[in-house]
Amino acid sequence: AQSVTQLDSQVPVFEEAPVELRCNYSSSVSVYLFWYVQYPNQGLQLLLKYLSGSTLVKGINGFEAEFNKSQTSFHLRKPSVHISDTAEYFCAVSVISGGYNKLIFGAGTRLAVHP
Amino acid sequence: DARVTQTPRHKVTEMGQEVTMRCQPILGHNTVFWYRQTMMQGLELLAYFRNRAPLDDSGMPKDRFSAEMPDATLATLKIQPSEPRDSAVYFCASGLRGRAMDNEQFFGPGTRLTVL
Repeated sequence: AQSVTQLDSQVPVFEEAPVELRCNYSSSVSVYLFWYVQYPNQGLQLLLKYLSGSTLVKGINGFEAEFNKSQTSFHLRKPSVHISDTAEYFCAVSVISGGYNKLIFGAGTRLAVHP
Repeated sequence: DARVTQTPRHKVTEMGQEVTMRCQPILGHNTVFWYRQTMMQGLELLAYFRNRAPLDDSGMPKDRFSAEMPDATLATLKIQPSEPRDSAVYFCASGLRGRAMDNEQFFGPGTRLTVL
């Protein structure tokens, strides 16, 4: 069965520092991967997605992620974070289950950016 | 701009009461998902609709939860009777089923439910 593991439940970082949020997936078939962000008291918003093609995917707000098939990873990175990046980040994989595509979410990583 | 809307945003009720949560998907979207988010379980898929038909509700406790789409602009999630363990944030998401795996879902702001 497909699953998503986010290795860090919390990541504290100082403003303007780089950050990497780790995500590993398990799947025996082609994968389609997503990162969503959830700001406090809001719904989830798509940051970026990997469907095919270039393994380096650029998203909104300066985030990017790299698909690594051999390591089954899809880590999210930003070279310089802002206070406004404080949020919860969810990695997800799209799978076919019960005849339709559904998203399997990781447990989330809480990014806390400190001044 | 087009957004998924959910009402109410917050609901406090007493155990045993009926709770109805509403969702208006983005106009033109043909898929609707209901999720529940808790600290312990994270995001759980409760139900999935395509073209207003329920295709998967295996994530819902059948004895007390029900989900419907009376029309293309309204999805409802009901809990009757509600229990304290139902306290969570309930999200609705909509999407457009086009390419097979391009599964972007657009989330609403959620309904925060507290059952006392």
